[in-house]
Amino acid sequence: QSALTQPASVSGSPGQSITISCTGTTSDIGGYDYVSWYQHHPGKAPKLIIYNVSNRPSGVSNRFSGSKSANTASLTVSGLQAEDEGDYYCLSFTRSYTLIFGGGTKLTVL
Amino acid sequence: QLQLQQSGPGLVKPSETLSLTCTVSGDSISSGSYYWGWIRQPPGKGLEWIGTIYYSGTTYYDPSLESRVTISVDTSKNQFSLNLSSVIAADTAVYYCARQMCSSNTCPFDFWGQGTLVTVSS
Repeated sequence: QSALTQPASVSGSPGQSITISCTGTTSDIGGYDYVSWYQHHPGKAPKLIIYNVSNRPSGVSNRFSGSKSANTASLTVSGLQAEDEGDYYCLSFTRSYTLIFGGGTKLTVL
Repeated sequence: QLQLQQSGPGLVKPSETLSLTCTVSGDSISSGSYYWGWIRQPPGKGLEWIGTIYYSGTTYYDPSLESRVTISVDTSKNQFSLNLSSVIAADTAVYYCARQMCSSNTCPFDFWGQGTLVTVSS
């Protein structure tokens, strides 16, 4: 199975909003609402920030939001802060009952 | 407080078997409330799902690794383990164990171990 498609990098200034896309197929993102997003800082364990497309775990800032349209899921980070800088990954359940990650997106706060 | 403590060698020779264990504290694997998984990140690359196990022994594996991977569970020790056979340099990665937040492979990973760098080299 091939990784879901994410842009390699995105950037934004403090206070701005950015959106990261995650594109799959009807066999994964398009077929199920089981998309989650992870924030990963180097040397640390990844952190779950969105699950089931648009749900935030307890304790995660409401500046993070998720959505989905057809085969593409999106993560929006509003009110960018320096601490948001890092790598972001999407993860989807698939028709084969497996899981697949996106290739990852590096977010730079200018 | 849930903790996932990873253990295992940081260096494995090519063609040998990589073995890692994840010991769970603060929760019981045999409660059946969660699935448990392994994920890795090769140097300079993205996260890769390896596989998942339920307390009953039900497993799901990434198709590209399925012929070399075995994930097992020992409920008496509250541990689950990863074995990856016939390793090559491309298996060099930081390996993470993690909990899926419900009793299905549809669920996201909400708690992660600290990560173990495993290098494949002679």
